[in-house]
Amino acid sequence: KAGVTQTPRYLIKTRGQQVTLSCSPISGHRSVSWYQQTPGQGLQFLFEYFSETQRNKGNFPGRFSGRQFSNSRSEMNVSTLELGDSALYLCASSRGQAAGELFFGEGSRLTVL
Amino acid sequence: GESVGLHLPTLSVQEGDNSIINCAYSNSASDYFIWYKQESGKGPQFIIDIRSNMDKRQGQRVTVLLNKTVKHLSLQIAATQPGDSAVYFCAEIASGGSYIPTFGRGTSLIVHP
Repeated sequence: KAGVTQTPRYLIKTRGQQVTLSCSPISGHRSVSWYQQTPGQGLQFLFEYFSETQRNKGNFPGRFSGRQFSNSRSEMNVSTLELGDSALYLCASSRGQAAGELFFGEGSRLTVL
Repeated sequence: GESVGLHLPTLSVQEGDNSIINCAYSNSASDYFIWYKQESGKGPQFIIDIRSNMDKRQGQRVTVLLNKTVKHLSLQIAATQPGDSAVYFCAEIASGGSYIPTFGRGTSLIVHP
């Protein structure tokens, strides 16, 4: 079956702009998590959605937001971009009922100039 | 092993050698652990997992060892191949909590042919 799909794969924005990233989970997976990956901080948890509800949230400012649709697809949005938001944003899906394997997409690489 | 510094620790081995990648986890309540492999330009992929009621688990060419006393996890790769070159992350989960994994900083494995 198809894996986790993230779009766009690469994008360049300037400071102050906003960006929306999309994630399509594996069919049947109801949980979608988002992570920010940078060389300095590693993999940092942003938030997790399950059945259209934000179930867990990491320690990021309110400029980072997300949502999940009824088909489990998810989007995340970053407003008022800062240089430090340059990172690889990874989406991961799982069945979500218990602790288990996450299936990651290939990520969206955001560069903020 | 893991590092809190900005640069990933690196393990450099020759093809055919055995590799051991270490991870120190922080939460004594963590009871489920996963190793992920991230190749360049891709998202992390599941390798093997282990629950806290075990101290060893074997997969294909990989073995994970868990020492709860000192909160240490290791991944052993037998007969390392060039295709094993990647960044390896351990993740800890407290399954009585949110099921959100906390990732280590990662170790870069370089396999020389």
